[in-house]
Amino acid sequence: DVVMTQSPLFLPVTPGQPASISCRSSQSLLYSDGKTYLNWFQQRPGQSPRRLFYKVSYRDFGVPDRFSGSGSGTDFTLNISRVEPEDVGVYFCLQASYRFTFGQGTKLEIK
Amino acid sequence: EVQLVESGGGLVQPGGSLRLSCEASGFTFSNSWMTWIRQAPGQGLEWVANIKKDGSEKYYVDSVKGRFTISRDNAKNSLYLQMNSLRAEDTAVYYCAMNYYLDFWGQGTLVTVSS
Repeated sequence: DVVMTQSPLFLPVTPGQPASISCRSSQSLLYSDGKTYLNWFQQRPGQSPRRLFYKVSYRDFGVPDRFSGSGSGTDFTLNISRVEPEDVGVYFCLQASYRFTFGQGTKLEIK
Repeated sequence: EVQLVESGGGLVQPGGSLRLSCEASGFTFSNSWMTWIRQAPGQGLEWVANIKKDGSEKYYVDSVKGRFTISRDNAKNSLYLQMNSLRAEDTAVYYCAMNYYLDFWGQGTLVTVSS
């Protein structure tokens, strides 16, 4: 099974400052069709998860452009250029190249 | 507007059964893979099962194989999860999600397995 490892697990950030979350997989997520099936989700307190990115860097509708997704192979990153209070929550990566595995989650809080 | 509304959760004793439902609207249900995901209290997310558009293919996480059955009724725009032989470790909020890559999620329904 593919293991997804996120870091950090806890991320305190000052509003207006950047934030970065890493997600590493135990094997390359490059699928035989040439695509990489790595998604990012945001779960705000008390809400269900919302997808932010699919296939590494394709932004979902309504996601602010201060969010960006990048990476390849086994190393992936979710970046927030300027954190806002509404970004508080838990962020999960998901690999869907070989069945489905979530990362443990990274809890972002405002300092 | 896409909407997914789960129901059927509740308190059940170990060894018992529950059937979860997910009513979909706002998209062409019969054209969409559908997925169940769960989240134990205070924990991360676990993919549970998914089902192809026409119900011809179904996949499960190893921990529920033989106990859970995913199904759908495209005429009713509904997804189901029949859960048998429930264990304490099945306690979680169960979400249904649209499409193979989890485009959109419902609000979830809580399943508690306890004596």
